[in-house]
Amino acid sequence: AQKITQTQPGMFVQEKEAVTLDCTYDTSDPSYGLFWYKQPSSGEMIFLIYQGSYDQQNATEGRYSLNFQKARKSANLVISASQLGDSAMYFCAMRDFATGANSKLTFGKGITLSVRP
Amino acid sequence: NAGVMQNPRHLVRRRGQEARLRCSPMKGHSHVYWYRQLPEEGLKFMVYLQKENIIDESGMPKERFSAEFPKEGPSILRIQQVVRGDSAAYFCASSPPSSYHNEQFFGPGTRLTVL
Repeated sequence: AQKITQTQPGMFVQEKEAVTLDCTYDTSDPSYGLFWYKQPSSGEMIFLIYQGSYDQQNATEGRYSLNFQKARKSANLVISASQLGDSAMYFCAMRDFATGANSKLTFGKGITLSVRP
Repeated sequence: NAGVMQNPRHLVRRRGQEARLRCSPMKGHSHVYWYRQLPEEGLKFMVYLQKENIIDESGMPKERFSAEFPKEGPSILRIQQVVRGDSAAYFCASSPPSSYHNEQFFGPGTRLTVL
């Protein structure tokens, strides 16, 4: 069974600084994908970044990067140069490919990020 | 290209009534997923459907809940005889038949309140 763990309490960061949001996972499948989603107060789920278990390099998308440490089973999200609009809930999710390429996502409980001006 | 559409955005029902939640996937997407988010929680998988087929319903409660994705029209999540514990946000996501990482695109969600 897959499991995603996000245990940080609410996080605070000063505008323009970088912040790291932690995520650890557990799976017995060697082939899997890791996702981060942002959920602002308006409620929609916004895809941020993806990391495949066999990807050689850490994923980056603009100000988002993923610090993927496979041996530690961690996939931390790094947001550089925080902006006020980054204040939101952030969810780490995983899909394993044992049950097929279009299998379900397993989500963590999320981390609340507040950016201070 | 319109995104995933869900309606209604907000739904209020009294205990014992039926709730019908609709989801129209993105154009060209043939896979639909339903997730439920309880307050202060992450999303929990409910069911995965392709056109006219239920692929994985391992997250669906055994009673009162059903889902369909007909050949024509939107996917429907149906909750019969709603109870207060059904109050939650219900998200639909869709994905194309195949893509690099099979990203799921989420709709805006339907917030169900049971009085």
